[in-house]
Amino acid sequence: DGGITQSPKYLFRKEGQNVTLSCEQNLNHDAMYWYRQDPGQGLRLIYYSQIVNDFQKGDIAEGYSVSREKKESFPLTVTSAQKNPTAFYLCASIRKGAGYGYTFGSGTRLTVV
Amino acid sequence: AQSVTQPDIHITVSEGASLELRCNYSYGATPYLFWYVQSPGQGLQLLLKYFSGDTLVQGIKGFEAEFKRSQSSFNLRKPSVHWSDAAEYFCAVGSLGNTDKLIFGTGTRLQVFP
Repeated sequence: DGGITQSPKYLFRKEGQNVTLSCEQNLNHDAMYWYRQDPGQGLRLIYYSQIVNDFQKGDIAEGYSVSREKKESFPLTVTSAQKNPTAFYLCASIRKGAGYGYTFGSGTRLTVV
Repeated sequence: AQSVTQPDIHITVSEGASLELRCNYSYGATPYLFWYVQSPGQGLQLLLKYFSGDTLVQGIKGFEAEFKRSQSSFNLRKPSVHWSDAAEYFCAVGSLGNTDKLIFGTGTRLQVFP
């Protein structure tokens, strides 16, 4: 079955470390998105990519970086510059212009220890 | 500015009771509207969407929503709630175009009592 796979499900980061969250989709979707979810704040857009080798900042991009070298993959790196990284991270994808709404992965919970 | 407001942070209903979750939006263009549901620790699942046409849309799990342009609302309803409906519900607005970006509300947590 097609879908979006996020890994790992749980991730722990020490202060000053960079960590990378994986997002892979086999839906042949064009666009991919990273959202951060905090209690009571809904989903906030970090980065998005509409085509390979291109991506744009969302509303809260500071302290994060991404790459889109393959259509299927859109990894998110949480850098040491992100001062409050503990959150639930969701990856989503969509076939561009199709209007079917996002397909979401099951999320990664990142905790700073 | 584009925004989505879900005024109810937390709603509690008894099993079998009817449900209405409120969503108001502010969007300059013709909006495309969505409702998603999230179980704890999981991703979001699409319940239903509105693009055009009939303003009453049917979704999965017995949910429906009505688009009211004059009130800038897209409220989600269910006639009889089941205990398995306990989850968090998100309203979202967007448009088809260059980015397909969605703007999400802050969510409404639904608790169902037996």
